[in-house]
Amino acid sequence: AQSVTQLDSHVSVSEGTPVLLRCNYSSSYSPSLFWYVQHPNKGLQLLLKYTSAATLVKGINGFEAEFKKSETSFHLTKPSAHMSDAAEYFCVVGAGTYKYIFGTGTRLKVLA
Amino acid sequence: GAVVSQHPSWVICKSGTSVKIECRSLDFQATTMFWYRQFPKQSLMLMATSNEGSKATYEQGVEKDKFLINHASLTLSTLTVTSAHPEDSSFYICSAYDRDRGSGANVLTFGAGSRLTVL
Repeated sequence: AQSVTQLDSHVSVSEGTPVLLRCNYSSSYSPSLFWYVQHPNKGLQLLLKYTSAATLVKGINGFEAEFKKSETSFHLTKPSAHMSDAAEYFCVVGAGTYKYIFGTGTRLKVLA
Repeated sequence: GAVVSQHPSWVICKSGTSVKIECRSLDFQATTMFWYRQFPKQSLMLMATSNEGSKATYEQGVEKDKFLINHASLTLSTLTVTSAHPEDSSFYICSAYDRDRGSGANVLTFGAGSRLTVL
């Protein structure tokens, strides 16, 4: 069975400092993994996806994530946070063609 | 890229009335769409899978008579909240299954959501 755990419900960083949002997954087969971002009262926007190609995945807005099979992790990073990055971030694992398992979300706060 | 349009973005209704929310795939055909409910500061809860031309598949605990789903065409799915009550107030989000041909990944495209407030 597939599952995903976001280790931090809230993360606060100062503007211009690195961002690390942690995600661990469990999957009985090679997973599809995604990171989505949600701004207040908005839908979800795809940041990046892993599909068994390159383990380091680059997404939009300077975000990237590294798939580490040995650690069953897919952490999201960004070298330098911007105020506009403040939002809710969801790690998602694909559990078959029609099933997506969402993490509980990490709320990123960026301090001026 | 794929675009999913959701309408209305917000709606206020009186208790006991019914409300319809539309989800449209604008530039692709979606044989499958998904409806989620999101409570404040929580993750998305899958309510049902909407299949074009057939009955929706509801997740355990979701009342199919309360949340009517119709997927009459390849670009439109509707969610009707019947006899709405204040506890139905929530953020409802739809998504469409869109095969990303470039990478082979099955990517979900989400609508912007509909905030329902039942008075």
